[in-house]
Amino acid sequence: GAVVSQHPSRVICKSGTSVKIECRSLDFQATTMFWYRQFPKQSLMLMATSNEGSKATYEQGVEKDKFLINHASLTLSTLTVTSAHPEDSSFYICSARAGTPGETQYFGPGTRLLVL
Amino acid sequence: GENVEQHPSTLSVQEGDSAVIKCTYSDSASNYFPWYKQELGKRPQLIIDIRSNVGEKKDQRIAVTLNKTAKHFSLHITETQPEDSAVYFCASRRALTFGSGTRLQVQP
Repeated sequence: GAVVSQHPSRVICKSGTSVKIECRSLDFQATTMFWYRQFPKQSLMLMATSNEGSKATYEQGVEKDKFLINHASLTLSTLTVTSAHPEDSSFYICSARAGTPGETQYFGPGTRLLVL
Repeated sequence: GENVEQHPSTLSVQEGDSAVIKCTYSDSASNYFPWYKQELGKRPQLIIDIRSNVGEKKDQRIAVTLNKTAKHFSLHITETQPEDSAVYFCASRRALTFGSGTRLQVQP
């Protein structure tokens, strides 16, 4: 199956700093990428949807100025958590989809963020 | 937006028994329903999916049924094994609205 990578796998940062997470589709072109956040023992919550070359669409309640998403190419999307705070500590997972809506989404391995 | 409800939240079965997890969805326009298995600290893995033009799909020990009229779909795992122990999520819609998850524990 298709491979999606994420980097870094885990990051620890100080409160107030910014953290960038990369999501790459390694063997297919991802027209759409999704960013999810998962708190311990909870489900995945969609944060935003990004299409290559256009602005991301954020879900209700997700601050677009805090969670900056860039989908500059068909194989790379980045999520930047700006001015991170301890409550932003979570498991962030991206997924990528190649074709029209309904095509399988492939998930990255996730990035565990800990903000001290 | 889409609302997906999943039951039960936890399920414990004996090895060899069957396990059934159910989900309901709210958007009648949804036409794609995948099931994911997630082990602790790892990414969700697609185990089976179904599209709205069929009522049932089977892959070895795993099957999914869909009732569009009632807007619910179910995951069936037969002959459960300890390695089936994980959290299972149903999802709906193109951007994947996830259910709350079911923690399945298979007792050897």
